Amino acid sequence: SQQGEEDPQALSIQEGENATMNCSYKTSINNLQWYRQNSGRGLVHLILIRSNEREKHSGRLRVTLDTSKKSSSLLITASRAADTASYFCATDFAGGSYIPTFGRGTSLIVHP
Amino acid sequence: SQTIHQWPATLVQPVGSPLSLECTVEGTSNPNLYWYRQAAGRGLQLLFYSVGIGQISSEVPQNLSASRPQDRQFILSSKKLLLSDSGFYLCAWSELVAGTEAFFGQGTRLTVV
Repeated sequence: SQQGEEDPQALSIQEGENATMNCSYKTSINNLQWYRQNSGRGLVHLILIRSNEREKHSGRLRVTLDTSKKSSSLLITASRAADTASYFCATDFAGGSYIPTFGRGTSLIVHP
Repeated sequence: SQTIHQWPATLVQPVGSPLSLECTVEGTSNPNLYWYRQAAGRGLQLLFYSVGIGQISSEVPQNLSASRPQDRQFILSSKKLLLSDSGFYLCAWSELVAGTEAFFGQGTRLTVV
């Protein structure tokens, strides 16, 4: 099944800095989603970007999608200590049933 | 509004004992249902998904099984647990169409001793 792979695996920054994490995938998709997971908790949906979209914003989040490179990036601007979490991208197959498949995630630590 | 309940939150079981984790969804009908496992510091591995009552697809051959006895109930089971079954188990649901988000339960931390 399709799987996104996040990069880097770990990211450590200071509060106020921007955090950028990337996701690469292998085959054509319908859409790509980003999720957040606080330690020991379930995942929470952040944002969805469709295959015909190139950029999407939600608050301090900015997501880009480059279908020619099969990659997406999640930018968190002006990070806060509360943004400390793991971030996952999820993809599905174009033309197939939506079965969200996840990569290993990026572990983000924001130091106050 | 839709909610998902998953229990128990933590579980410590001896090797060879049975397992039953339950997940229920409220506020929607005919959802897609999923069981994932997350090993420490790792990503989410899809174990099972279901698109309808009695319809179970297994992604990874293993010591576990899943059942969907009712439309909004998804159960993860094992007859005899192995040490390697330890992990964080997550139940999730989504609408039966592409392009919608998945909603996750709070997870079950299973430790097999």
